[in-house]
Amino acid sequence: EAGVVQSPRYKIIEKKQPVAFWCNPISGHNTLYWYLQNLGQGPELLIRYENEEAVDDSQLPKDRFSAERLKGVDSTLKIQPAELGDSAVYLCASSSPFSGQGETDTQYFGPGTRLTVL
Amino acid sequence: AQRVTQPEKLLSVFKGAPVELKCNYSYSGSPELFWYVQYSRQRLQLLLRHISRESIKGFTADLNKGETSFHLKKPFAQEEDSAMYYCALLSNTGKLIFGQGTTLQVKP
Repeated sequence: EAGVVQSPRYKIIEKKQPVAFWCNPISGHNTLYWYLQNLGQGPELLIRYENEEAVDDSQLPKDRFSAERLKGVDSTLKIQPAELGDSAVYLCASSSPFSGQGETDTQYFGPGTRLTVL
Repeated sequence: AQRVTQPEKLLSVFKGAPVELKCNYSYSGSPELFWYVQYSRQRLQLLLRHISRESIKGFTADLNKGETSFHLKKPFAQEEDSAMYYCALLSNTGKLIFGQGTTLQVKP
């Protein structure tokens, strides 16, 4: 099992350029999460999908960020245009009702994409 | 407001010493709490959750509702425990709220 796959692992762009991150969740996981992790901080949820539906996007800055999860499997997170303050690690995680014990799904994280905006 | 606070950015101990990583939370109702760990060059992974009441890699964490705390403890630290530790709270909307993290450094 490869776990959650993310690409690219690193991305350096100039401000005002667009950028996209891709995530492939663990097979069978219907819930997918995108988190933002700034340096020295814990991850913060940007958006959560249940299959194709975005069920929580309240923290997603919709003026420049967008996400999609077509067919309820892979997901793409896009920033257009990128700003200096977007430099961070973008984490993807997935879970299913059967991935943990008890009532709560265990979230499995990908390695992240480290974005640097110059 | 739902919040997780980890007051220490860095905790440095010697091998064999006891370890306590502090976590305090703010939540109305019965919280569901977790500890996640990130070893160097590895991805974030679940260490333990309070509902399972299990010990993982010698770590335990007890929920103290009176003190709104969920401190992570280990009686004898090992060098391989050196990592970044995050305390997290499951919010009433189903999202994880993470603390800022504590770097544990275990010296030989």
